[in-house]
Amino acid sequence: EVQLVESGGGLVQPGGSLRLSCAASGFTFGTYWMSWVRQAPGKGLEWVANIKQDGSEKYYVDSVKGRFTISRDNAKNSLFLQMSSLGAEDTAVYYCASGRAAHLFDNWGQGTLVTVSS
Amino acid sequence: QTVVTQEPSFSVSPGGTVTLTCGLNSGSVSTSYYPSWYQQTPGQAPRTLIYNTNIRSSGVPDRFSGSILGNKAALTITGAQADDESDYYCAMYMGSGISVFGGGAKLTVL
Repeated sequence: EVQLVESGGGLVQPGGSLRLSCAASGFTFGTYWMSWVRQAPGKGLEWVANIKQDGSEKYYVDSVKGRFTISRDNAKNSLFLQMSSLGAEDTAVYYCASGRAAHLFDNWGQGTLVTVSS
Repeated sequence: QTVVTQEPSFSVSPGGTVTLTCGLNSGSVSTSYYPSWYQQTPGQAPRTLIYNTNIRSSGVPDRFSGSILGNKAALTITGAQADDESDYYCAMYMGSGISVFGGGAKLTVL
C-alpha cells in the first residue's frame, strides 16, 4: 500500500523558516516524480513545487521561487521542502504527492499544517 | 499568467448526471494540457479521479468520466450518489514541470 506521511509543520513567525518532510513507503520512491501541493484555509489547491526522480529537475510556482527548496533522498525514501522568509500567505496545509510523470499526482499524503503568525 | 477556471458550484439530484468543466482564461483546453480531476471532502486529502483527460485512477468507479467538451475539460458524474458531495478540482499541465489547479467546484447532491 502506498503511504505518504508528511511532518514538520507547525507555527512559525513571519520571516521564519521551516523544513517539511514526507516519508514514502509502498512503492519504488526513486522512480516517481514528487510534488508539494498546498491548500490555504478555506481555499483551493495550489501546486507548489516538484522534483524529478533523480533530483536533476526542480520546478516551483512563482510565488515561492527563491524562498522554497525542494529536495529528496532516494536512499531514505524521503521528500523535503525547505521554506524560508515565510509570510502569512504561506499558511496552508502542505500535501506531498507522488506521480509517474511531472504532471501526475497519483497518490497523496494527509498533509501537514503550516501556520505563519506572530 | 494562466488561470484555470471552474464554475464554483453545482447541484445534482441523486441518480442524476452532472458535468463539471475546467477552462483556461486564454485559449482552449486540449489533451496537451493533460487535464486531471481530484475529489476532496472536508478535512481530507485530495483523491485523484481522472488523469490524462480521461483515464480513471485505480479504484475510481466508472460513473466518473473525463473528456474534452468544446474548449474545456469536463468531468461527468453519471448516477450521482450522496457521497459524491465533495469539492472537485481540476489541474492543467503547463509544461516545464508546472501544473496549475483550478479554483475548485463544490458539488451538492440533493
